[in-house]
Amino acid sequence: ETGVTQSPTHLIKTRGQQVTLRCSSQSGHNTVSWYQQALGQGPQFIFQYYREEENGRGNFPPRFSGLQFPNYSSELNVNALELDDSALYLCASSWGQGPEQYFGPGTRLTVT
Amino acid sequence: DQQVKQNSPSLSVQEGRISILNCDYTNSMFDYFLWYKKYPAEGPTFLISISSIKDKNEDGRFTVFLNKSAKHLSLHIVPSQPGDSAVYFCAAGAGATNKLIFGTGTLLAVQP
Repeated sequence: ETGVTQSPTHLIKTRGQQVTLRCSSQSGHNTVSWYQQALGQGPQFIFQYYREEENGRGNFPPRFSGLQFPNYSSELNVNALELDDSALYLCASSWGQGPEQYFGPGTRLTVT
Repeated sequence: DQQVKQNSPSLSVQEGRISILNCDYTNSMFDYFLWYKKYPAEGPTFLISISSIKDKNEDGRFTVFLNKSAKHLSLHIVPSQPGDSAVYFCAAGAGATNKLIFGTGTLLAVQP
């Protein structure tokens, strides 16, 4: 059974640029959620995709957007990067509406 | 407004003793709760969950207790092992969106 994978591991971007982060869900899982974890904080929910449709969104501006593909992998796109976007971005997968989510290792984004 | 709170930033326990990690919540609509463990440079690892219709769930060395009237849950680890040293996050969710609300974490150090 393959776990959740994310790419890239680390990324450095400049303020104003755009970034795309990728996630492959655990085999058999059809739901992907994205979280942002700032230093010293718990993960904050960005949004969730279920069967390629957005299924819930947290308190993040529209410049955070996403996609889910037919194979259930997902992308997180962030436009017009700001310094405060520097964080660990975590992807989690789950089966349907089950509460247990399984996390990938994360992508560390640094915005300078 | 922090709906899930972990008021102890850190906890130190001797190997073989019990570790008790605490979590408080404010939203009575939460219907499931989860505990995750996180090592540095890794994503959170799911440990154990509990539905709001139960007051206890046990899995090996890990037991979660839920007190709905006090809006409080705790994770007991018995016996504690040095490999348990990590940051522990409490998370809660409600409804069908699978949006998890996380606490800020407690750093557990198990001393040999």
